[in-house]
Amino acid sequence: QKEVEQDPGPLSVPEGAIVSLNCTYSNSAFQYFMWYRQYSRKGPELLMYTYSSGNKEDGRFTAQVDKSSKYISLFIRDSQPSDSATYLCAMSKEDGANNLFFGTGTRLTVIP
Amino acid sequence: EAGVTQFPSHSVIEKGQTVTLRCDPISGHDNLYWYRRVMGKEIKFLLHFVKESKQDESGMPNNRFLAERTGGTYSTLKVQPAELEDSGVYFCASSQDLVLAGPQETQYFGPGTRLLVL
Repeated sequence: QKEVEQDPGPLSVPEGAIVSLNCTYSNSAFQYFMWYRQYSRKGPELLMYTYSSGNKEDGRFTAQVDKSSKYISLFIRDSQPSDSATYLCAMSKEDGANNLFFGTGTRLTVIP
Repeated sequence: EAGVTQFPSHSVIEKGQTVTLRCDPISGHDNLYWYRRVMGKEIKFLLHFVKESKQDESGMPNNRFLAERTGGTYSTLKVQPAELEDSGVYFCASSQDLVLAGPQETQYFGPGTRLLVL
């Protein structure tokens, strides 16, 4: 069983839609939860990170972590064509190692 | 400020040959990570340098892979001899010193090297 599960999509939405992306995980040792965005032929770029449970908002993006359910989400409001990319969830343990455990990524296309 | 750079961007080699990938981290970043993405799979951790020392190499698949970080600056990842299953995208990431950056530092990724072994 993979430690981090993510629906690979692809996901297509019209411009202006609310997008919901999510991941589940199995290891309760994960404490840091991140969302990376990756454009084609580029490296992953950190979008948001959250420590432990709770919500975090940054502009049109909201990250949620529910540790009791081992479930994390990323919401994108008023989606734009420029949001079209692959979104990767990533997690790390609080053991000082900081190695990231990634989901497979969800490919999102926002249609103008 | 320049980001993480990787060279080459693409490499096509035959099974049994040797390939060396290079990563130049962001200047001043002590932590350097190598990750790999095999087609259809998730990005997986390979190893972590703190300056010139290997902090964690638990993700290295086998002894055909050798990573070095000369003087705590750039790093190389050599695959010798390459096998078909080594094909994938190799990412390098770097981050600041953990004491300065806090318990969870941001890892900045390079664009990756796409390796194809035929």
